[in-house]
Amino acid sequence: QSALTQPPSVSGSPGQSVTISCTGTRSDVGGYDRVSWHQQTPGTAPKLMIYEVNNRPSGVPDRFSGSRSGNTASLTISGLQAEDEADYYCSSYTSRTTFEVFGGGTKLTVL
Amino acid sequence: EVHLVESGGGLVQPGRSLRLSCAASGFSFDNYAMYWVRQAPGKGLEWVSGINWNGGIIAYADAVKGRFTISRDNAKNSLYLQMDSLRGDDTAVYYCVKVLRPFYHYDMDVWGQGTTVTVSS
Repeated sequence: QSALTQPPSVSGSPGQSVTISCTGTRSDVGGYDRVSWHQQTPGTAPKLMIYEVNNRPSGVPDRFSGSRSGNTASLTISGLQAEDEADYYCSSYTSRTTFEVFGGGTKLTVL
Repeated sequence: EVHLVESGGGLVQPGRSLRLSCAASGFSFDNYAMYWVRQAPGKGLEWVSGINWNGGIIAYADAVKGRFTISRDNAKNSLYLQMDSLRGDDTAVYYCVKVLRPFYHYDMDVWGQGTTVTVSS
């Protein structure tokens, strides 16, 4: 069982927006501005998409955005494209280990 | 450009040991914390262990504590994971991951391509 809770799957049609949630506790998501989102397509290594709740690394489209409310962080993908179909994992700093912990992952299907 | 190349994976019998290595290039390795993250077949990502820039702060997931040892050699730009008493549920792709900023030990950033460990008799 993962420390952070994500929905197993979400879906949306091209052009629509989808939001993936990531719920933790005050010891991780809710207590620190250290939530990241990683994208993984089949057979490849994960790729950082969002860091520190709502920052995008260079090269990540601005269709990807992050936010947080209380103990729940969210990744929103607007203007869905077929290439966005992937697994998405949240991660957060945790005071329990002083490193990071992952969510269970969410499979995004673009209909 | 940052490159992380894992090696040392393979097929190993339960109870035996394996040592993974990660060769880093393209950044000042000795300033950055590093992680090992694994992914069992068909499963999600699981944090395994982390080490800060000088090896002074180390932590392990409960599932590997007492069996795995993380270390680094900053002179060789290399990260290691010594895995002892391996079990079937250690079967996974093991990734080496760099953090975003020097001297911080969170905010995973760049991932290697992974090395596969299979524990089976």
